This record gives sequence, C-alpha cells and structure tokens, in this order.
Amino acid sequence: ETGVTQTPRHLVMGMTNKKSLKCEQHLGHNAMYWYKQSAKKPLELMFVYNFKEQTENNSVPSRFSPECPNSSHLFLHLHTLQPEDSALYLCASSQDPGGSQETQYFGPGTRLLVL
Amino acid sequence: GQNIDQPTEMTATEGAIVQINCTYQTSGFNGLFWYQQHAGEAPTFLSYNVLDGLEEKGRFSSFLSRSKGYSYLLLKELQMKDSASYLCAVRDGDYKLSFGAGTTVTVRA
Repeated sequence: ETGVTQTPRHLVMGMTNKKSLKCEQHLGHNAMYWYKQSAKKPLELMFVYNFKEQTENNSVPSRFSPECPNSSHLFLHLHTLQPEDSALYLCASSQDPGGSQETQYFGPGTRLLVL
Repeated sequence: GQNIDQPTEMTATEGAIVQINCTYQTSGFNGLFWYQQHAGEAPTFLSYNVLDGLEEKGRFSSFLSRSKGYSYLLLKELQMKDSASYLCAVRDGDYKLSFGAGTTVTVRA
C-alpha cells in the first residue's frame, strides 16, 4: 500500500481550462517531487521541494505551476495546457535528500488528457 | 546530459529467469535504483546498488559494475504477476534521479 496518494486519478481538460493536481504523502518525508511520464519515454523530473522550498525547476513551462504549502502536500496547477502535455503525472516523496540510501516513493499518478 | 539505456521489451516463460540490462553514462554517480511499475500503478522500489557487486532480495537480484557503467536486474522463478515495466534510475547527485525509458516484461504461461 502506497503512502503517497494523488487526486484525481484521471483528468480530461480543454486547452483553456485551469485545473490542479494534488499529492499527499503520509510517510513523514521532507522532500516531494513532480515527474512527467509520457508513453515509451523516461520519467522526466519537473519540480523538487525540500522542506517546502523549491530546489529544482527542470526548465518546465510556466503553464505548470507547483505549490507546496507544507511537507505533506504538493499541488500542480495547470493552465492553458497543450495536447502534448497529455501524460501521466507522478508525485514522489523521500525522507532525506542526500542521505546514503535515499529512496523515492511514488504515488499512483494522475492520467491527464488535454483536448 | 544523462544517458540511460535499457531494452524496450522482453518476453519470458513462467518459471524461467530473465535478466534486464541497464547501461548508463551520467555526469555523476550516487547509486542506481530499480523500480517495478505495473500498468496504471505507481512505480515501486525494488533495489538499490551503490557499490559493485550483487544484491539479492528473494527472487530478485541486482548487480552493479561502476567501472563499466552497467547494471542488471535478475528475475528468477518468474510468475505471471511479474509482468510489468522495470525502470532503471541513476542518482547523480544528492537526490536527482535520471530514469531509463523502462523495460516491459511479459511473462507467458
């Protein structure tokens, strides 16, 4: 059973819509991550938050806007997306970035379709 | 940039052994991870290697050679439930993971 939950699990939106993805981790971790997973492509790291501070923005377009109000919650706000943004968006968390056996734990993802 | 290669697909018979290879060229190295991902589900952690050699966990084993930039995941006594995508990932700094595209393993009866 995963300690990382994501809602919604599926989302269909038009290019002019605004929606938000939510992630919550119940593991007491200090870092949270957003990844994009497109078909047959490697997971792409989008954002990293460590102790609520953004420590990584991997050249993500501004139509994706992350928010991390506390160490347990992470949001990804979406606006004016493009069809090529359709993908599985995965959230992950980890205990101690930089730790020797630091492991990231993933949520089930939100399957996004942009029409 | 980071370059992590693994085969796209593999097929094997129930009860058999399958070895999934992963080669990497990264700017740094701070450990290699294997994850399993069933269709529509979260990737789940399988193994971690940071030193050369073999790590065994039940039916699954993972091997690392840092000098060769090479790892493999060995799945023994294959079961139908092992049909999934297997992701190789390299940590090249404190926390950043770079992933391969994944290997889809299909187990046939």
